[in-house]
Amino acid sequence: DAGITQSPRHKVTETGTPVTLRCHQTENHRYMYWYRQDPGHGLRLIHYSYGVKDTDKGEVSDGYSVSRSKTEDFLLTLESATSSQTSVYFCAISEEEDTQYFGPGTRLTVL
Amino acid sequence: TQLLEQSPQFLSIQEGENLTVYCNSSSVFSSLQWYRQEPGEGPVLLVTVVTGGEVKKLKRLTFQFGDARKDSSLHITAAQPGDTGLYLCAGASNRKLIWGLGTSLAVNP
Repeated sequence: DAGITQSPRHKVTETGTPVTLRCHQTENHRYMYWYRQDPGHGLRLIHYSYGVKDTDKGEVSDGYSVSRSKTEDFLLTLESATSSQTSVYFCAISEEEDTQYFGPGTRLTVL
Repeated sequence: TQLLEQSPQFLSIQEGENLTVYCNSSSVFSSLQWYRQEPGEGPVLLVTVVTGGEVKKLKRLTFQFGDARKDSSLHITAAQPGDTGLYLCAGASNRKLIWGLGTSLAVNP
């Protein structure tokens, strides 16, 4: 299995609070991705990174920001959490531009 | 907008039956991946197909990439309860993957 960890694994927070999710890899892969997975919508790309300090938006980036200051870490921040951001968040890594390896996920509940 | 349509959306079968799930698009992809996801876990890569017409086998699972690289199929022979899960296909395009919504498979003992 690819060395990918996500923290926290579960989080409950209140509307309006900031939240940061962390993805850490030990594979030295170039690409890192943040997805959210919701019933009826499948996996949707939030943001991705193609190198240190190089990031780009995905299809559902509003309300989210990311940072990648080191190859191994990719942070996802919800500046002011809303109930619509209740979801399961997955981080993925890739060395090529296709095959991706996923972390275990973070279940976020915004009350 | 690129889309990948998977069918069927849900499938419930008895142990020992064969099944095929489909992944179709109007777009051409440089490669296509199949993943399996179990509840509470992240998707796990099963196979990557790259060449049009390519067929890959993984034990009882057979994957085929369409000649035009727009579609793919996954065939499972003699399904077992351990095959239960969500099967996702994803097409590679422009540094990203385009995902289908998945086929939820239940194999009953």
